[in-house]
Formats: sequence, C-alpha cells, structure tokens
Amino acid sequence: GAVVSQHPSWVICKSGTSVKIECRSLDFQATTMFWYRQFPKQSLMLMATSNEGSKATYEQGVEKDKFLINHASLTLSTLTVTSAHPEDSSFYICSARVPGGAETQYFGPGTRLLVL
Amino acid sequence: AQTVTQSQPEMSVQEAETVTLSCTYDTSESDYYLFWYKQPPSRQMILVIRQEAYKQQNATENRFSVNFQKAAKSFSLKISDSQLGDAAMYFCAYRSAMTSGTYKYIFGTGTRLKVLA
Repeated sequence: GAVVSQHPSWVICKSGTSVKIECRSLDFQATTMFWYRQFPKQSLMLMATSNEGSKATYEQGVEKDKFLINHASLTLSTLTVTSAHPEDSSFYICSARVPGGAETQYFGPGTRLLVL
Repeated sequence: AQTVTQSQPEMSVQEAETVTLSCTYDTSESDYYLFWYKQPPSRQMILVIRQEAYKQQNATENRFSVNFQKAAKSFSLKISDSQLGDAAMYFCAYRSAMTSGTYKYIFGTGTRLKVLA
C-alpha cells in the first residue's frame, strides 16, 4: 500500500513554455501532498504544501506565480512550472501524507525537468 | 526552529559488515516523529524506518535498527549485514507531532553510503 505515482518521469521543454507534473496517490486518499525540488547531490528542498480543496502553502522564497499548485481531488495534485527557464531545470519530487499513525510521507518516483 | 544534522557526508562499509549513520536534531518539542529514508540511484525515496518520540523502545525493521537517544537528540541508523543494494543516499527527517503543525518534514543533508564487495 501507500503508492504514489508521478507523471511524467522525464520532460524536456523549450524556454518560455509551461510544464505540468502530476502526483497521484494510488491506493489511499491524501488530503496533504508536498512538492520538493532536489538539486544534484543535495537534500530535498520543500517548495510547498498542497492541501485538497484549498490554496497551497509556499515556502519562503518560492514564487507561487511561477510554480502553480492545484490539489483538486483527494488523489491528485499538480505542479505547473510556468514560463520555464533553464534555471528551473531540476528534479521535482512529490509526496503524500498518510493520515493517522506515524504520519508518514510516501514519495513519488520524481520528475526530471530539463528546460532548453 | 527545528534542525536536522547529518555530519557524515559519505560512509563506506564492507559487504556483510555493520555500519552506523549518525543524525542529530534540535527541537524544543517533546513529541515528534523521526524517519530514515533511502534514496538509491533511481532517486525514489524509500522509507527505511520510523520512530515515535514517545516510544522508548528503538524501532527495528529487519536488518535496520535505530539508536534513539531522546535526551541527547540523537537518532542513528544501524545497518547490519550490509548488502550491495543498501548503497544509496540516506536522509534523516524530523516531523513535529503538534496537531496545529504543518506536517512538513525537516530533512538532513544526507549521507552517501557505499557498500564495498
């Protein structure tokens, strides 16, 4: 149980275009999902907390108009990188909180974004 | 604010031997959760083990066990009988148990474990 999927796993786009990444909880309902960014050989940097049916909470320094997050259902959150630029190239990971118990987060396999 | 420190950027262990990865944290809270995650070359984050701070007994999952020292704010991970598949980045994470909290994790900087054949 507690499987989280992400789509796409790899995306290459031209500078100026927008890219949408999906995060799905496959076998449980997730009221809270998280979006992270990871640079090579570094730890995960939390970008925002996504709550179903409400606005996302962004971490300090993360542009909410640049990284649009929508959590329209209990199993799906999306991250849209708007007007992507080469500096947005990175590895993006989502996770979903399994409520109750030890409040564990389960992670998706990640999406590698390359902006040309 | 809480912080998590992993002071070992890289560790090596011989196959079948035992290795311990260190993690210390700073918090003023009394109730929280601690986690170890593994990130292999595929970059999929995998939960290794978790510990509730109110439990005195150290968590164990097969070859993985923790040494949780609450007073010292230390949470080390011991891997016994190391296997080649254990080679990965290991991240220690903290999460507040406060009901008014945001549920977010605070991650350490990670320790890269190499397993030598």
